[in-house]
Amino acid sequence: ETGVTQTPRHLVMGMTNKKSLKCEQHLGHNAMYWYKQSAKKPLELMFVYSYEKLSINESVPSRFSPECPNSSHLFLHLHTLQPEDSALYLCASSEGRKAGELFFGEGSRLTVL
Amino acid sequence: RKEVEQDPGPFNVPEGATVAFNCTYSNSASQSFFWYRQDCRKEPKLLMSVYSSGNEDGRFTAQLNRASQYISLLIRDSKLSDSATYLCVVNLMDTGRRALTFGSGTRLQVQP
Repeated sequence: ETGVTQTPRHLVMGMTNKKSLKCEQHLGHNAMYWYKQSAKKPLELMFVYSYEKLSINESVPSRFSPECPNSSHLFLHLHTLQPEDSALYLCASSEGRKAGELFFGEGSRLTVL
Repeated sequence: RKEVEQDPGPFNVPEGATVAFNCTYSNSASQSFFWYRQDCRKEPKLLMSVYSSGNEDGRFTAQLNRASQYISLLIRDSKLSDSATYLCVVNLMDTGRRALTFGSGTRLQVQP
């Protein structure tokens, strides 16, 4: 059982659609992350929220927009994506003093047509 | 040069074998190190932290060599259930920054 839940698990969208990925953590952690995992490439950090404030944005294109309304929830809003954005999007959380110990959700597999 | 570099494998080993993976990192200021495990089509999970003095957890031993900038993972008495991709992870603790850099992973296939 994972303490980090992501929905939807699979998403297919056209390049003109707007959709959102949702992440919820039940671990009481104060940091939440979005990572992108493409085939045969390492996990790429996209965004980090610490105490509900955006602390890291790894130069992600503006077609990806994060939102953290509270310490338990994290969203990734998607609009006008490109086919190369197709990937597994992983949400993770961590407790502040243990930044190396990430707890991941099962991911949302996104396909952009 | 990649920040964290791993041999992608796959390493195909028989059950009971001992297997070792190395991982090199480019930034000498890196502060902390970890091994994660990722099963096929699953999320990564922390396997173990890597301490300067080396550490052991059952059949798994992790070592850090700061002078040569590499970490290693040794698995003894391999089990079929050890088949997975092993991700080397490095934390560069810049001021005000807290984020991990992942390697691409080394795939292990343990065969009966």
